[in-house]
Amino acid sequence: EDKVVQSPLSLVVHEGDTVTLNCSYEVTNFRSLLWYKQEKKAPTFLFMLTSSGIEKKSGRLSSILDKKELFSILNITATQTGDSAIYLCAVAAGNNRKLIWGLGTSLAVNP
Amino acid sequence: GAVVSQHPSRVICKSGTSVKIECRSLDFQATTMFWYRQFPKKSLMLMATSNEGSKATYEQGVEKDKFLINHASLTLSTLTVTSAHPEDSSFYICSAREELTEKETQYFGPGTRLLVL
Repeated sequence: EDKVVQSPLSLVVHEGDTVTLNCSYEVTNFRSLLWYKQEKKAPTFLFMLTSSGIEKKSGRLSSILDKKELFSILNITATQTGDSAIYLCAVAAGNNRKLIWGLGTSLAVNP
Repeated sequence: GAVVSQHPSRVICKSGTSVKIECRSLDFQATTMFWYRQFPKKSLMLMATSNEGSKATYEQGVEKDKFLINHASLTLSTLTVTSAHPEDSSFYICSAREELTEKETQYFGPGTRLLVL
């Protein structure tokens, strides 16, 4: 059965800290891995990763994929209170490209 | 970027009534849209995949007669919760995938909070 596992489930840090969120997966016919940020409403798209070893960056956020070890990490440097959210990892797999979702990591950044 | 709207954002209804939720892709065509349900502090649960011009594909355990999906155009899908009951109260979110690029990225609408009294 396809599955996506995120860790940790929750994390509390202070402003300025750097955090690393993990996402591992076991799927058939992997196509891509996606990261989303969810605050009070629906998820907003952060990154899509398809190739190993190529880092994607957007400001203080970056992500990388390891297709051999079947995981991805999402890094946030110099965290701010506005980074507080649930970070969701999803893997697109199969011919129908359906997304398989992890349970998310709840990040709280305290001032 | 790709924008998806969802309407209404919040609805309160009486038990037994039906509620329709609209999902629109505003600046791209979406052959495929998805309907999710999310419970508090839980991850997204895919309910069904909405295909333009054909019947929706429902996930196991989701009643297709209860949750009617219509994908009438390349920019609009609707979810109708029929004869709603309090246990249908939830956060419903739609997403759309831009087919031209063949990428897997789904762009989400802002969600609809449904409360059935």
